[in-house]
Amino acid sequence: DQQVKQNSPSLSVQEGRISILNCDYTNSMFDYFLWYKKYPAEGPTFLISISSIKDKNEDGRFTVFLNKSAKHLSLHIVPSQPGDSAVYFCAASDVGGAQKLVFGQGTRLTINP
Amino acid sequence: DTGVSQDPRHKITKRGQNVTFRCDPISEHNRLYWYRQTLGQGPEFLTYFQNEAQLEKSRLLSDRFSAERPKGSFSTLEIQCTEQGDSAMYLCASSLEVGYTEAFFGQGTRLTVV
Repeated sequence: DQQVKQNSPSLSVQEGRISILNCDYTNSMFDYFLWYKKYPAEGPTFLISISSIKDKNEDGRFTVFLNKSAKHLSLHIVPSQPGDSAVYFCAASDVGGAQKLVFGQGTRLTINP
Repeated sequence: DTGVSQDPRHKITKRGQNVTFRCDPISEHNRLYWYRQTLGQGPEFLTYFQNEAQLEKSRLLSDRFSAERPKGSFSTLEIQCTEQGDSAMYLCASSLEVGYTEAFFGQGTRLTVV
């Protein structure tokens, strides 16, 4: 039972344009959502998070949107840069914190010059 | 503090051998987590500690797996009698206890069972 799904295994975007990564979840008890970026042979690096009391959180080039009624969140990266090329994971928790994160399968983002 | 540190980075072992991994969390973090990641999948939760207490274990953590955090600082994850299906990246993370806070991951230990 995949509670967190990232349905796009890969995404290719032109440098300078907007990258939009999507994530769907099924567990309505999830109340905290995070995005991580992962380079090969490294551990995931935290990017941005959002709690269920908000519908948007912004940090520099990164914005996360949460649509609770649709059980959907998205990560927007504007403008996209070559260094953004990595695998992006969304994760969710139903215990109000970082413990027991449930991860999606990941989306490989490639930024083309 | 340089972040979460894991040792070794890579481990190749023969089937049936025991292996032990170490994780040193960020010093002020009292929560420590172990995850496992296989190819093409996201990390899967294995277990977590608050200080020295192991508060939860996933059903993925079979009897061959044991984790400890004896003094509430570093943690070890031991796999006894390894199987080829244990081949994966083992990730450690740590976080503060309070509120909506992110977990910081180490670089992982890549285990290959041959």
